[in-house]
Amino acid sequence: GAVVSQHPSWVICKSGTSVKIECRSLDFQATTMFWYRQFPKQSLMLMATSNEGSKATYEQGVEKDKFLINHASLTLSTLTVTSAHPEDSSFYICSAAGTGAYEQYFGPGTRLTVT
Amino acid sequence: QKEVEQDPGPLSVPEGAIVSLNCTYSNSAFQYFMWYRQYSRKGPELLMYTYSSGNKEDGRFTAQVDKSSKYISLFIRDSQPSDSATYLCAMTLSGSARQLTFGSGTQLTVLP
Repeated sequence: GAVVSQHPSWVICKSGTSVKIECRSLDFQATTMFWYRQFPKQSLMLMATSNEGSKATYEQGVEKDKFLINHASLTLSTLTVTSAHPEDSSFYICSAAGTGAYEQYFGPGTRLTVT
Repeated sequence: QKEVEQDPGPLSVPEGAIVSLNCTYSNSAFQYFMWYRQYSRKGPELLMYTYSSGNKEDGRFTAQVDKSSKYISLFIRDSQPSDSATYLCAMTLSGSARQLTFGSGTQLTVLP
């Protein structure tokens, strides 16, 4: 199956700092990438959808100025959590879909802890 | 009412048992159906992907879709302790958005 990587897998940062998370499709071209957030024992919550070369589409209630998403190439999308606060601590997961495909392949996730 | 309903479990079965996981949905416009397996603190892994009504088999896994009843199932034969995970059903509409609607997930434990 298709492989999606995320980096870092785990990050701790201080309140007020920014953190960048990378999502890469390793063996296919991802025309669309998705960013999710997951709280313990809960299902995935879609934050935003990004198409390569276009601005991301954010879900209702997700602050676009706080969660900056860039999808500059067909294999890389980044999520930057700006001015992070403890309530931003969560498990962030990206997924990717190829051209014309409906199935999504997920990365391994990034655990963010803001102290 | 949620668009996709999935029994959260937890479900415990002995090793070697046949496991049946199910989801129902309300939106008849859903066209594509997926099953994901998620281990604790990991991203979901795509297990099965189907489009039409009927059965699709891959090794010990069989996915079944009944669009007339708006009901999908995942069967796991000869279950193993390594199958212990949370199983998520997901579905999407046709078109360009391709956003997935997930079930809440069923937590499965296979006891050795």
